[in-house]
Amino acid sequence: GQQLNQSPQSMFIQEGEDVSMNCTSSSIFNTWLWYKQDPGEGPVLLIALYKAGELTSNGRLTAQFGITRKDSFLNISASIPSDVGIYFCAGGTSYGKLTFGQGTILTVHP
Amino acid sequence: NAGVTQTPKFQVLKTGQSMTLQCAQDMNHEYMSWYRQDPGMGLRLIHYSVGAGITDQGEVPNGYNVSRSTTEDFPLRLLSAAPSQTSVYFCASSRTGPGAEAFFGQGTRLTVV
Repeated sequence: GQQLNQSPQSMFIQEGEDVSMNCTSSSIFNTWLWYKQDPGEGPVLLIALYKAGELTSNGRLTAQFGITRKDSFLNISASIPSDVGIYFCAGGTSYGKLTFGQGTILTVHP
Repeated sequence: NAGVTQTPKFQVLKTGQSMTLQCAQDMNHEYMSWYRQDPGMGLRLIHYSVGAGITDQGEVPNGYNVSRSTTEDFPLRLLSAAPSQTSVYFCASSRTGPGAEAFFGQGTRLTVV
């Protein structure tokens, strides 16, 4: 089946630093989505990308849909303690089926 | 707004027991799906449905059954629970078509002993 490679697996940063994570795939996706999961909760959508090359921001978060439609990255600027959690990328097909990356565990030290 | 509601939140089963995990959404979404989440493996698709009466297998369907009799509900049945099914289960719903962002429930933490 389709697989997404998400990196890094974990990050330990100081408050105020910028964060970058990415996902690559051997398959083409129509949609790239980025989710955040807090402990004991379901994933919550952060950013959705619909077009190759698209760059979208949501507050301190910026994500891009790769030109080849096989990759995406997420940047978080000026991290704060509440950014702690697991971040997932997901590639979507036209009928809504999602394939998830393994997740990036983010720890922010005050 | 309720969104996607899953019950129960926690469950302990003995090996061989059966049970049904409930999922309901109130957004009139056509597409619903079940994922399991295991440490270091992200979310893996178990079964999905593109509308009432239509279901299909995902990446890890063995040991699970689903049905979709209404747009709102998509229950997941464990036929004979095994320790390998210890996991956190998430239900999600979305519109079909491009830009189909999935909305997730809060999850069911299942332990099979």
